[in-house]
Amino acid sequence: DTEVTQTPKHLVMGMTNKKSLKCEQHMGHRAMYWYKQKAKKPPELMFVYSYEKLSINESVPSRFSPECPNSSLLNLHLHALQPEDSALYLCASSTVRDGPGEKLFFGSGTQLSVL
Amino acid sequence: AQSVAQPEDQVNVAEGNPLTVKCTYSVSGNPYLFWYVQYPNRGLQFLLKYITGDNLVKGSYGFEAEFNKSQTSFHLKKPSALVSDSALYFCAVRPPSGSSNTGKLIFGQGTTLQVKP
Repeated sequence: DTEVTQTPKHLVMGMTNKKSLKCEQHMGHRAMYWYKQKAKKPPELMFVYSYEKLSINESVPSRFSPECPNSSLLNLHLHALQPEDSALYLCASSTVRDGPGEKLFFGSGTQLSVL
Repeated sequence: AQSVAQPEDQVNVAEGNPLTVKCTYSVSGNPYLFWYVQYPNRGLQFLLKYITGDNLVKGSYGFEAEFNKSQTSFHLKKPSALVSDSALYFCAVRPPSGSSNTGKLIFGQGTTLQVKP
């Protein structure tokens, strides 16, 4: 199994809603990532988890709250989002064994629209 | 500052012709270089990487890339383009261990490849 599975594929939420994005992989990867991508733009790193601990937070607003409950799952909790947060949210995973040379496996993303 | 540049927003090529998608980088030390492809409504897929060794790297779907240290370039190439190669291509660099931004993948702005029949 070489897939990263993200749910839901599409999400529409109001600015007062609370929702969660989910990501799952069964490749035994111990590094997991959240990226935000606007249309036709490169992905922007949000968070990195390494061995289930948050290792990088790219100064993301607190309305985005990541969680890594175990080595296979990664969640992104959303609360009080703004319309400018509308984007494709990508989850990725990689091994940490070889460090920076490891490739990332990406999910297909959650297309989020904030109304 | 560490950065990646893809000078072309779009590359158009006829099916069967060779294609080149350009990438240059600015990273101190020896970088780790990657190419990823993104098809519409999909996540990114790994194509190939350069870590060390032979400057010509072969990857998925018949793509290859040439690392040129003196020109700080890592151009993506394919001898014969297919219509199905049409997609958004991202060059990316990971700074070496011990430098700032280790662990982060720095992407270029992306190049849309359009292959016409």
